[in-house]
Amino acid sequence: EPEVTQTPSHQVTQMGQEVILRCVPISNHLYFYWYRQILGQKVEFLVSFYNNEISEKSEIFDDQFSVERPDGSNFTLKIRSTKLEDSAMYFCASTQGRGLEPQHFGDGTRLSIL
Amino acid sequence: DQQVKQNSPSLSVQEGRISILNCDYTNSMFDYFLWYKKYPAEGPTFLISISSIKDKNEDGRFTVFLNKSAKHLSLHIVPSQPGDSAVYFCAADHTQGGSEKLVFGKGTKLTVNP
Repeated sequence: EPEVTQTPSHQVTQMGQEVILRCVPISNHLYFYWYRQILGQKVEFLVSFYNNEISEKSEIFDDQFSVERPDGSNFTLKIRSTKLEDSAMYFCASTQGRGLEPQHFGDGTRLSIL
Repeated sequence: DQQVKQNSPSLSVQEGRISILNCDYTNSMFDYFLWYKKYPAEGPTFLISISSIKDKNEDGRFTVFLNKSAKHLSLHIVPSQPGDSAVYFCAADHTQGGSEKLVFGKGTKLTVNP
């Protein structure tokens, strides 16, 4: 069964450094998402992306965050200047279409900010 | 923000018995509901969904019930198996409003004892 893959599985970064999290969505999917889960808290929506544009973003997704689809397969989340509170699991998800269709998630990247 | 609530952090059942996981929501605009299962160190895996025009959806051992008037849904697993032991997340979406973000509950950890 097709999968969403995320790399790396664990990223350790010094505070203030830039980090890029990578995702390869399912190949025929067109809608892409990033979520995060801080330890002990809910999974929270960050951003959705379609047709090379952000279609929706949460208040968490401030100017420090950006997303990009640099080629036909990768979907990246960049955090420009990381803060301690950015430490979380980051999940990428994708769907083929919109509406009544489930999002399929990758296994996540654990981001640890020191 | 408590739009989706899973009030039981944990549930323990015997193998072969029924597991019932509950979820409440407050936003009456939600029209699509999903259950995800999550094992440690993995991403959420889609299990089953239901649109707001239905009150029941069944897939093998998994059945989701939706009570719109009570703003309540439940996931029934029968018979429960030890491999079902995981954290189960309820999620909701307002697809008619063009939203693409899933709103998650905090999860219920299910333990199925052999």
